Amino acid sequence: DAGVIQSPRHEVTEMGQEVTLRCKPISGHDYLFWYRQTMMRGLELLIYFNNNVPIDDSGMPEDRFSAKMPNASFSTLKIQPSEPRDSAVYFCASSRTSGGTYGYTFGSGTRLTVV
Amino acid sequence: DQQVKQNSPSLSVQEGRISILNCDYTNSMFDYFLWYKKYPAEGPTFLISISSIKDKNEDGRFTVFLNKSAKHLSLHIVPSQPGDSAVYFCAASADGSSNTGKLIFGQGTTLQVKP
Repeated sequence: DAGVIQSPRHEVTEMGQEVTLRCKPISGHDYLFWYRQTMMRGLELLIYFNNNVPIDDSGMPEDRFSAKMPNASFSTLKIQPSEPRDSAVYFCASSRTSGGTYGYTFGSGTRLTVV
Repeated sequence: DQQVKQNSPSLSVQEGRISILNCDYTNSMFDYFLWYKKYPAEGPTFLISISSIKDKNEDGRFTVFLNKSAKHLSLHIVPSQPGDSAVYFCAASADGSSNTGKLIFGQGTTLQVKP
């Protein structure tokens, strides 16, 4: 099993540009999560999906952020337009459940820098 | 509103000694708790967990203690090794019987184990 795969690993973009982060979850995992890591708040949950359907997007900071999961093996997190304060490491994770019993498997993250 | 708090951003200990990482939570509905470890440029990986029906769980050098009345948990690493140097995240979920909670993470504590 290749684990959770995220791309790109690093992204540097100019303020105002559109950024798309990609994630391939582990096959058979029905839940997919997008987290953002910052020094102040640690790992923040942005949104999660169950069977490709968004369940909770209360953590999405603004309308500039959107996420989709068109099928069980692919999800995107889009920021449009991007701002310098969006600079962070974005993690995708997948799991068999939404709860903690089985834990989540995380990808290696995408380090986003907006200049 | 930070429901899971790790108030110590960093901790430094000598190799062979005990490392104690602390975590506090505010939501009394949390019933499952996990610790994740994160190395630079990698995603967080699951370390150890505990259900609210227990007050201690041990796995090799790692032990997690839960004090529900104080809404506090701690991770003990004995003996500490240089390879334990990483960021440690505490996480909690309100799973209930349906395991439908979502993992809420703390800010993380950076542990440095000196040779």
